Amino acid sequence: GEDVEQSLFLSVREGDSSVINCTYTDSSSTYLYWYKQEPGAGLQLLTYIFSNMDMKQDQRLTVLLNKKDKHLSLRIADTQTGDSAIYFCAESRSNAGNMLTFGGGTRLMVKP
Amino acid sequence: DAMVIQNPRYQVTQFGKPVTLSCSQTLNHNVMYWYQQKSSQAPKLLFHYYDKDFNNEADTPDNFQSRRPNTSFCFLDIRSPGLGDAAMYLCATGRSTDTQYFGPGTRLTVL
Repeated sequence: GEDVEQSLFLSVREGDSSVINCTYTDSSSTYLYWYKQEPGAGLQLLTYIFSNMDMKQDQRLTVLLNKKDKHLSLRIADTQTGDSAIYFCAESRSNAGNMLTFGGGTRLMVKP
Repeated sequence: DAMVIQNPRYQVTQFGKPVTLSCSQTLNHNVMYWYQQKSSQAPKLLFHYYDKDFNNEADTPDNFQSRRPNTSFCFLDIRSPGLGDAAMYLCATGRSTDTQYFGPGTRLTVL
């Protein structure tokens, strides 16, 4: 079955770059997503990447995909205190009706 | 402008007292999902509607039911809430093979 794993916790200083990593096992993944969840809130879609892409950049966010190693990362440049949240990696497969398989989430703490 | 709306944002119920959570969307998406999220865990899919077709996850307890009267609305009914059902309940919507968009969630407390 499919499995998505993330490290539990990351702490950075304001202004530094943050890199959140994710590994997955299902080679038939079609899309890979990053969602952000602030305390007491729902999941906010940050960005996603199609499985035939290596990289996607959107303002401060850079997503890197290594399909061979089944490794996905999210880099946040110039991290701000407002970036403090839990970040969930998720994968979906087109042959599974777009069902999402989530990682356990990485809690990002940004110190002033 | 809110696209996926959940009401109420906070719900308190008593042990065993039925409760209904509401989700509505302005995106005209054909798929609607209900997730349960417990503290510090990933969301867990309970069920989803693909148009009018209901799809239950194998491990979703019978205590949880859902209704989708039209494209815009979907309800989660918990027939007899137990203490273990206290959680954040997240609604999401999507087109058939597209990204899922989440609502703000309803936090359920069971006394």
